Amino acid sequence: AQKVTQAQTEISVVEKEDVTLDCVYETRDTTYYLFWYKQPPSGELVFLIRRNSFDEQNEISGRYSWNFQKSTSSFNFTITASQVVDSAVYFCALRESGNTGKLIFGQGTTLQVKP
Amino acid sequence: NAGVTQTPKFRILKIGQSMTLQCTQDMNHNYMYWYRQDPGMGLKLIYYSVGAGITDKGEVPNGYNVSRSTTEDFPLRLELAAPSQTSVYFCASSSTGGARNQPQHFGDGTRLSIL
Repeated sequence: AQKVTQAQTEISVVEKEDVTLDCVYETRDTTYYLFWYKQPPSGELVFLIRRNSFDEQNEISGRYSWNFQKSTSSFNFTITASQVVDSAVYFCALRESGNTGKLIFGQGTTLQVKP
Repeated sequence: NAGVTQTPKFRILKIGQSMTLQCTQDMNHNYMYWYRQDPGMGLKLIYYSVGAGITDKGEVPNGYNVSRSTTEDFPLRLELAAPSQTSVYFCASSSTGGARNQPQHFGDGTRLSIL
């Protein structure tokens, strides 16, 4: 069965600290897709990044970076020099195999960045 | 660009009442989804559709019905509202095509309370 685990329920940091959000997934598929979404306090879901299973390059976008390691089935998300505006719930998701495009979400990690 | 539009944003229902949550998208996406998000949990798939006239059950379909008569619209119906259906409901859509890593685009959600 496919599964996504975000073991960190809540993280609290002080502004300018670096923080890493963990995501571990389970799948028997050889080709799969991983996503990160942000849910700010206003409630909408914002797409952050997608990653194909055959592309293990890490990615950096400004203060955000993602570390994809197939060997440990992890797709971790790091925010460098966190800001108050980064406070949100962050979801990791796995695209299910087949042609339905269904996403399997982790439970989410609530990040609180204090000034 | 409107993207995915959900109405209403908030609703309070009495037990046993029925209602339809509306979802429309203007991106000509074939794939559409309905999720529910319970407090402290990730999103769980209720129903999905891979095209007009085609719908299928997700992980938690009991108590809900959907229809997909057009590409744009994917309404979710609650026939006999129960307190367990108190949740935030998200509609999403994604495109088809050869690249299956296309992200799902989400509406802003409908917060539903059953009292």
